[in-house]
Amino acid sequence: ELKVEQNPLFLSMQEGKNYTIYCNYSTTSDRLYWYRQDPGKSLESLFVLLSNGAVKQEGRLMASLDTKARLSTLHITAAVHDLSATYFCAVDMNGAGGTSYGKLTFGQGTILTVHP
Amino acid sequence: KAGVTQTPRYLIKTRGQQVTLSCSPISGHRSVSWYQQTPGQGLQFLFEYFSETQRNKGNFPGRFSGRQFSNSRSEMNVSTLELGDSALYLCASSSWALETQYFGPGTRLLVL
Repeated sequence: ELKVEQNPLFLSMQEGKNYTIYCNYSTTSDRLYWYRQDPGKSLESLFVLLSNGAVKQEGRLMASLDTKARLSTLHITAAVHDLSATYFCAVDMNGAGGTSYGKLTFGQGTILTVHP
Repeated sequence: KAGVTQTPRYLIKTRGQQVTLSCSPISGHRSVSWYQQTPGQGLQFLFEYFSETQRNKGNFPGRFSGRQFSNSRSEMNVSTLELGDSALYLCASSSWALETQYFGPGTRLLVL
């Protein structure tokens, strides 16, 4: 059974600092997604990573995927208050030759708080 | 392009009742997935429909069921509600296998 683990689960950052959220998963897959969720809201897609070595950047966020290590990272540069949210990584097993259609397996989420 | 819509947004039910939630995917999207989100269990996959066929199902009891119509709209039904069914139910749609899933605003269900 696929397991997806994020760490840290809680992250309190000062504005202007850098930090990285880690996402480890237990079974081979080359499809990984990052989502953001604000309190009481739905999930917003941030990044789609579809191959080993994929790197995507948007503003102060950069995501990467290492399929050999079964690891994805979400790096935050010079954090600002607007980045405060819960961040989820999710793995799609369908690409591994399986029939796991439409199923994303999510990590526990990382609650990020950015304070002055 | 309009996003994924879900109705109703909020529901209060009592134990033993049943409930039907509705999801309209983004126009042109044929795959609809449903998830349950709770503070204790996080986000868990319920099932996925494509062209009116259920292709995948998560580890939920048979009280949870769903269907998809020819216009790709989907419904999920929960019968004999239990207190533990209180959750945010999210549906998501996608147009092809490698694309991200786009999530609706969710239906927040409270079972009393």
